[in-house]
Amino acid sequence: DGGITQSPKYLFRKEGQNVTLSCEQNLNHDAMYWYRQDPGQGLRLIYYSQIVNDFQKGDIAEGYSVSREKKESFPLTVTSAQKNPTAFYLCASSMVPHGEQYFGPGTRLTVT
Amino acid sequence: AQKVTQAQTEISVVEKEDVTLDCVYETRDTTYYLFWYKQPPSGELVFLIRRNSFDEQNEISGRYSWNFQKSTSSFNFTITASQVVDSAVYFCALSEAMGGDSWGKLQFGAGTQVVVTP
Repeated sequence: DGGITQSPKYLFRKEGQNVTLSCEQNLNHDAMYWYRQDPGQGLRLIYYSQIVNDFQKGDIAEGYSVSREKKESFPLTVTSAQKNPTAFYLCASSMVPHGEQYFGPGTRLTVT
Repeated sequence: AQKVTQAQTEISVVEKEDVTLDCVYETRDTTYYLFWYKQPPSGELVFLIRRNSFDEQNEISGRYSWNFQKSTSSFNFTITASQVVDSAVYFCALSEAMGGDSWGKLQFGAGTQVVVTP
């Protein structure tokens, strides 16, 4: 089955620790995206990548970092510099410009 | 500035009632794309529809229908004869062709929670 996988589904960390969220897709899509969702709010774009070894900041990139070494993978690191890291993180991919984005199941990160 | 406005925070209906979700967008581009997504309690967003700015035809897919009106910058979504499985948060989103990104960043509204009770 083609799709996007994110792991783990739930993640707990102590304040001050960096944490990396996984996102893998086997849809052969060029573009990948990371969004953050806070309770009762829409999604906000963190980072996106249109091609391997290239990525751009989204609207709320501070405190986050990404890499795109393979077409299939787009991991997101939440650093200790992110002031409010507790949120629901969603990864997405798309095949064509302005095409529909397909989303993974998400990772709920809780930092205490 | 908010580019996509979903003014309805929550809508509650009884099964079999129709429900209409409002979406108003703002853009200066002449070419843009509008989307609707569904987010069930599991959390994963499910793509429902994509519409480009040059296609104002309304669309119907089963119990779902969409009304796109450029004159009022609206892209409303109606669920006919609602069912309990329709309970979810629904998001409207905008992608601008000339918004500085050739691939199109999605800008989401805040979402509308639909609650369908038996």
